[in-house]
Amino acid sequence: QVQLVESGGGVVQPGRSLRLSCAASGFTFSSYGMHWVRQAPGKGLEWVAVMWYNGTYKYYADSVKGRFTISRDNSKNTLYLQMNSLRVEDTAVYYCARDRSKGVYGLDVWGQGTTVTVSS
Amino acid sequence: DIQMTQSPSSLSASVGDRVTITCQASQDISDYLNWYQQKPGKAPKLLIYDASTLETGVPSRFSGSGSGTHFTFTISSLQPEDIATYYCQQFDDLLTFGGGTKVEIK
Repeated sequence: QVQLVESGGGVVQPGRSLRLSCAASGFTFSSYGMHWVRQAPGKGLEWVAVMWYNGTYKYYADSVKGRFTISRDNSKNTLYLQMNSLRVEDTAVYYCARDRSKGVYGLDVWGQGTTVTVSS
Repeated sequence: DIQMTQSPSSLSASVGDRVTITCQASQDISDYLNWYQQKPGKAPKLLIYDASTLETGVPSRFSGSGSGTHFTFTISSLQPEDIATYYCQQFDDLLTFGGGTKVEIK
């Protein structure tokens, strides 16, 4: 079945780095845009980043631009999020999600989320 | 950046009630709007895309309408399993979510 499984979350000190992974299965990964969305404790959903199906385009929320990098390996059916210079306000559950299309149309498949806690 | 304003932020209704949530975009987004349901501790689920198209497998008591800047999400007859937070999301310019509406049973 169609599935996304995130990993790599944990507790990290402010200023440090973390890399999240999202393993996809059950669909042709290379045909879909892929996103990261986060949710701070008790808060709403915040879109973080998107990468086009072939890696041609990638865009970021202003809150993470210059610190986070989205990437994908279509040969491994895996999406990544490299998070550098982490801040306390980056604490959240991070979801990997599939777009309905090759680019940006909406999120029809979601992973279960991985928790990132930034704390000293 | 496009801002999405959802209202109300929470509501309480009885089983069988008609529930309506509104979402206002800060600029014209045509019908580039989706609605999601998120149950506690779970990932969001896409319910409606392109403002009014029901995702496969979603019960017909859920519906969406609107275009331009004003959108409406309706549950025609609230069921206990509909307890969740609902989010609108625009995709005219990347993605932006509304603040969410928490739906509870009275």
